[in-house]
Amino acid sequence: GAVVSQHPSWVICKSGTSVKIECRSLDFQATTMFWYRQFPKQSLMLMATSNEGSKATYEQGVEKDKFLINHASLTLSTLTVTSAHPEDSSFYICSARDRSRGGTDTQYFGPGTRLTVL
Amino acid sequence: QKEVEQNSGPLSVPEGAIASLNCTYSDRGSQSFFWYRQYSGKSPELIMFIYSNGDKEDGRFTAQLNKASQYVSLLIRDSQPSDSATYLCAVNTGTASKLTFGTGTRLQVTL
Repeated sequence: GAVVSQHPSWVICKSGTSVKIECRSLDFQATTMFWYRQFPKQSLMLMATSNEGSKATYEQGVEKDKFLINHASLTLSTLTVTSAHPEDSSFYICSARDRSRGGTDTQYFGPGTRLTVL
Repeated sequence: QKEVEQNSGPLSVPEGAIASLNCTYSDRGSQSFFWYRQYSGKSPELIMFIYSNGDKEDGRFTAQLNKASQYVSLLIRDSQPSDSATYLCAVNTGTASKLTFGTGTRLQVTL
């Protein structure tokens, strides 16, 4: 149980284009999903918290107009990187919180999406 | 000041030995604590969580929590080469269920 999927697993795009990444909880409902970014040899950096049916909460320094987050259902959140540039190249990972498991706030991670912007 | 600190390693242990991974945190109000394993190029996978002082065992893994000392550790018994990975300590301070991650400890299990 507690499976989270992400699509695509990798994407290469040209500078200036937009890329959409999907995050799905497959066997549980996730009222909250999180989006992280990880650069090589660095730890996870939380970008935003996505709540179903409401606006995402962005961390300080993360441009909300550049990283659009939509959490339209209890099993799907999307991250759109708008007007991507080479410095946006990174490993984007989502996680979903499953509060049904023993009342903890455990986050289960998707497999990640590797974005390369040329 | 970092909120969650881990020694970056690498921590090298021989196969079959016990690996001990440590983590300290700064927020005394922290509620729950998680250990994730991350293989190179992959996303983190949950090993276990703990929120009460003491030990919690799951197979070869034991998490230890000491809230007074603000310290959480992970012991891996009978270490295997497949345990070689980066181990991330994460702390939930209760703020919107966000997790704060340490930078991770790289573990190398040698033959």
